[in-house]
Amino acid sequence: SQTIHQWPATLVQPVGSPLSLECTVEGTSNPNLYWYRQAAGRGLQLLFYSVGIGQISSEVPQNLSASRPQDRQFILSSKKLLLSDSGFYLCAWSTGVNTEAFFGQGTRLTVV
Amino acid sequence: GIQVEQSPPDLILQEGANSTLRCNFSDSVNNLQWFHQNPWGQLINLFYIPSGTKQNGRLSATTVATERYSLLYISSSQTTDSGVYFCAVANSNSGYALNFGKGTSLLVTP
Repeated sequence: SQTIHQWPATLVQPVGSPLSLECTVEGTSNPNLYWYRQAAGRGLQLLFYSVGIGQISSEVPQNLSASRPQDRQFILSSKKLLLSDSGFYLCAWSTGVNTEAFFGQGTRLTVV
Repeated sequence: GIQVEQSPPDLILQEGANSTLRCNFSDSVNNLQWFHQNPWGQLINLFYIPSGTKQNGRLSATTVATERYSLLYISSSQTTDSGVYFCAVANSNSGYALNFGKGTSLLVTP
């Protein structure tokens, strides 16, 4: 069966420090991969999605970037964190278009 | 992008009561999912339901795609049903990535 792993679960980082969050999927190949952020107020905002290695689409211009170095690995990065980058970051995968998406357990990032 | 509106935003129920959560969306969709976010933040898949009706235990969902809405029914609610319920939709214009509503926060009291 397919599983998604996301780490770390929690992270406290100072303003101006770099960030790297990793997400990996097991049990499937060529998944669509997604990064979402949930800020206070509950709504989930799509940040990036990828339909294949090296293919990244950005939904919101911001201080973050994403990369997909391997088929089942999706990385969210920042060179210099801002206070406004705090939030709950969720990775998700699906097998393709019009298919059910599944989420990882999330990373709670606090920038201090 | 697709606009998703959920109602009500907050709901308080006594254990055993029934409830209906609504999701309206602004465009035709190819994907619609309902999620339950537990207190630890994890999103639990409830239904993948771009159209039609499905049931899973005390929960059921109906999507009327032509009228652009979906309903989530919770019967005989339990305290473990507490949390935030999200509706999310997608179509080709969204790159097939899910667009989320703001959720309905449900509290079930003993």
